[in-house]
Amino acid sequence: DIQMTQFPSSLSASVGDGVTITCRTSQSVRTYLNWYQQKPGKAPNLLIYDASSLQGGLPSRFSGSGSGTDFTLTISSLEPEDSATYYCQQSSSTPRTFGQGTKLEIK
Amino acid sequence: QVQLMQSGAEVRKPGASVEVSCRASGYNFSRFGVAWVRQAPGQGPEWMGWISGYNGNTNYAQNFQGRLTMTIDKSTSKVFMELRGLRSDDTAVYYCARDGSRGSSDFWGQGTLVTVSS
Repeated sequence: DIQMTQFPSSLSASVGDGVTITCRTSQSVRTYLNWYQQKPGKAPNLLIYDASSLQGGLPSRFSGSGSGTDFTLTISSLEPEDSATYYCQQSSSTPRTFGQGTKLEIK
Repeated sequence: QVQLMQSGAEVRKPGASVEVSCRASGYNFSRFGVAWVRQAPGQGPEWMGWISGYNGNTNYAQNFQGRLTMTIDKSTSKVFMELRGLRSDDTAVYYCARDGSRGSSDFWGQGTLVTVSS
């Protein structure tokens, strides 16, 4: 199985700040890397697929980059509603493993 | 609009089985696969497996081999997930999710809480 290492596990930032979350895979997944946002009691919501493609209808302050084994999710100009836990997932091979999550708090 | 509607919460005793259903609407069922993902309390998501909406072919995570069965009913656009030999650590919210681009999950059901307790 491909192992996912996501960091930081938590972070706190203010409205208007920018933040970056990193995901590292144990072997190359090319660009088969997805990012999800999850709020308490809700299902995960797809933000980014194919490492850098923004899911339709989502604000452009969310962006993804990377290929191979190193990936980042950047949220520019944070809004209060961005408070959530963020997960990366590889879909290069099965099982499609998830990272451990990054809990983002908006101060 | 695309919707995935799951069956309601279940409580089972250890050793029992549970079946969760997921009814798809708003898209051509046969053109997309469906994955099942579970999430134990306070934990991250865990991918369980995938089933084709076209022909019912499956791919299960090794962790669940022998205990997990996924099936489809194309006449009702439903996907079913059965987990057998339940243990307390199977207590989780179980989600179905449609396959999107490049293996992502673009639409999710609302989740079904399965509680395993004696």
